[in-house]
Amino acid sequence: DAKTTQPPSMDCAEGRAANLPCNHSTISGNEYVYWYRQIHSQGPQYIIHGLKNNETNEMASLIITEDRKSSTLILPHATLRDTAVYYCIVRVSPLSGGYNKLIFGAGTRLAVHP
Amino acid sequence: GAGVSQSPSNKVTEKGKDVELRCDPISGHTALYWYRQSLGQGLEFLIYFQGNSAPDKSGLPSDRFSAERTGGSVSTLTIQRTQQEDSAVYLCASSATWNSYEQYFGPGTRLTVT
Repeated sequence: DAKTTQPPSMDCAEGRAANLPCNHSTISGNEYVYWYRQIHSQGPQYIIHGLKNNETNEMASLIITEDRKSSTLILPHATLRDTAVYYCIVRVSPLSGGYNKLIFGAGTRLAVHP
Repeated sequence: GAGVSQSPSNKVTEKGKDVELRCDPISGHTALYWYRQSLGQGLEFLIYFQGNSAPDKSGLPSDRFSAERTGGSVSTLTIQRTQQEDSAVYLCASSATWNSYEQYFGPGTRLTVT
């Protein structure tokens, strides 16, 4: 699986957009970008995933560059409850074979402040 | 509906004792994963179950660790002759099928070996 690089920490003001970057320059054509987050003392929570098109759901938007070497997770209106560690994970599609185990890096610790 | 549940939530044991950690996945989910998160370390994969079979045990750190799953539902992770380095939060996740993109995590069991 491709390696990802994320900043160790970021701050965001409540109500503003939080833009979390992820670098995955060695990503392969059949690898997806996943984002999970872990709020303190809880298990990780799935946010979103994508292959090459931008994706949006009720939680966030995922913007993937055209060369797929980097992506940005956008929380459009951050709240205090969005304070968490955000993990960017690159993984082959489960349909390509292999198992869907997740390999977590260190993530980005996002602090949302009033 | 009910999410993934784990028990106990906290376990303190003496070095050398055996412990059993339990995971109840979401009903109907065929894939089940165990991870652990140590202080200062990221989340690491331990084992994957598809039904009652474990096709990927590559993350188990030693032969003191074993896991089973019965009836395609409940899973038990057993650690024999616990060591202090086994202290960690043990997380269980499940997904609907082997090729699902999203994994649902439980709250974890915090194991402390004294």
